[in-house]
Amino acid sequence: DVKVTQSSRYLVKRTGEKVFLECVQDMDHENMFWYRQDPGLGLRLIYFSYDVKMKEKGDIPEGYSVSREKKERFSLILESASTNQTSMYLCASGSGYEQYFGPGTRLTVT
Amino acid sequence: GEDVEQSLFLSVREGDSSVINCTYTDSSSTYLYWYKQEPGAGLQLLTYIFSNMDMKQDQRLTVLLNKKDKHLSLRIADTQTGDSAIYFCAEEIGSGNTGKLIFGQGTTLQVKP
Repeated sequence: DVKVTQSSRYLVKRTGEKVFLECVQDMDHENMFWYRQDPGLGLRLIYFSYDVKMKEKGDIPEGYSVSREKKERFSLILESASTNQTSMYLCASGSGYEQYFGPGTRLTVT
Repeated sequence: GEDVEQSLFLSVREGDSSVINCTYTDSSSTYLYWYKQEPGAGLQLLTYIFSNMDMKQDQRLTVLLNKKDKHLSLRIADTQTGDSAIYFCAEEIGSGNTGKLIFGQGTTLQVKP
């Protein structure tokens, strides 16, 4: 079974804090993705990566950065968390046409 | 830019058929997808259709694709309470096998017993 794991299911952080969200996949996929999910807006792509140390901006990269030092791990970084970054964050990995999703991290920024 | 639109909510009675509709804008999409999200979980691929097909059937699921109107639908026959979830339509964009997807807003399916 493909497994995509995310480091936390729930996270509460304060405004201005630096936040790290970790994602690990065990299927040797080259492609990894970070989305945020908000009610009525669906999933919006923040960043994606096709290979180690390679990253590309998605549709809403502002306020975020990413790191991919190893093939199995893709990290999302909120440099200075703000309340408008309160959301559900979903990581996915894929090879070809199918993306496999992690369970999500619900981040609340107070 | 590319866009995928869905209605936000659908309510049906158990045993009825459900039809979830989606429109998309990128006519060069090679694959179109339906994902399901159960409460508290990530998304799970339900089915997909290649762009040169107009119909795909998989047990209780039927996907219809109208390329001319850029319209995709998912029909669930004999809908069960366990089908209650959010259903996302998605299209693959960009050239080559990028895996980059654009998702719709998601349709919440409520199945009443």
